[in-house]
Amino acid sequence: DQQVKQNSPSLSVQEGRISILNCDYTNSMFDYFLWYKKYPAEGPTFLISISSIKDKNEDGRFTVFLNKSAKHLSLHIVPSQPGDSAVYFCAASKPGGGADGLTFGKGTHLIIQP
Amino acid sequence: KAGVTQTPRYLIKTRGQQVTLSCSPISGHRSVSWYQQTPGQGLQFLFEYFSETQRNKGNFPGRFSGRQFSNSRSEMNVSTLELGDSALYLCASSFSGLRDEQFFGPGTRLTVL
Repeated sequence: DQQVKQNSPSLSVQEGRISILNCDYTNSMFDYFLWYKKYPAEGPTFLISISSIKDKNEDGRFTVFLNKSAKHLSLHIVPSQPGDSAVYFCAASKPGGGADGLTFGKGTHLIIQP
Repeated sequence: KAGVTQTPRYLIKTRGQQVTLSCSPISGHRSVSWYQQTPGQGLQFLFEYFSETQRNKGNFPGRFSGRQFSNSRSEMNVSTLELGDSALYLCASSFSGLRDEQFFGPGTRLTVL
């Protein structure tokens, strides 16, 4: 049973516009969330994180929003740039980690069109 | 500073064999975690080591094991390989653990024939 879901396998956005990547989770014990970006033939790279005590966290062009009641988070990239084309993974963790450790979604492939 | 390195980068084994993968974390990082990436299952957590102790373990069979040395370098071992173990194995390191910014290596591509 997938506890972290990224329902859009791919997303195409025009350069300069906003990219919105979505992630849903089912386990209410998750209290910390992270986004990673992955280019082909490279390991994932950390982007931004958010704790469940907050509903928003910003870092430059990247903003993550957390809606705990809906068990939903989203990553906004504004403005989108060609270098943002990559696979984006949402990840979640519970206090103490445990067997789930860090639970990843299956990723969304973001394509930035010139 | 040097990034996370993983050796070997590619490996071909046959069913029933065992394999050991190695990970050298970023200097100063004490947490090393391992992940299996497959097209069907995505990225799945295997285990995390911190200061030579396994701190978290994912839902993988006992054929998957690991260890961490005093210099924080880590090894992962898979015994009695199965076809389904073919995957990209990623290692990541951080200062404090899974909630910290993890730095991933490029991975080891394991193919089981």
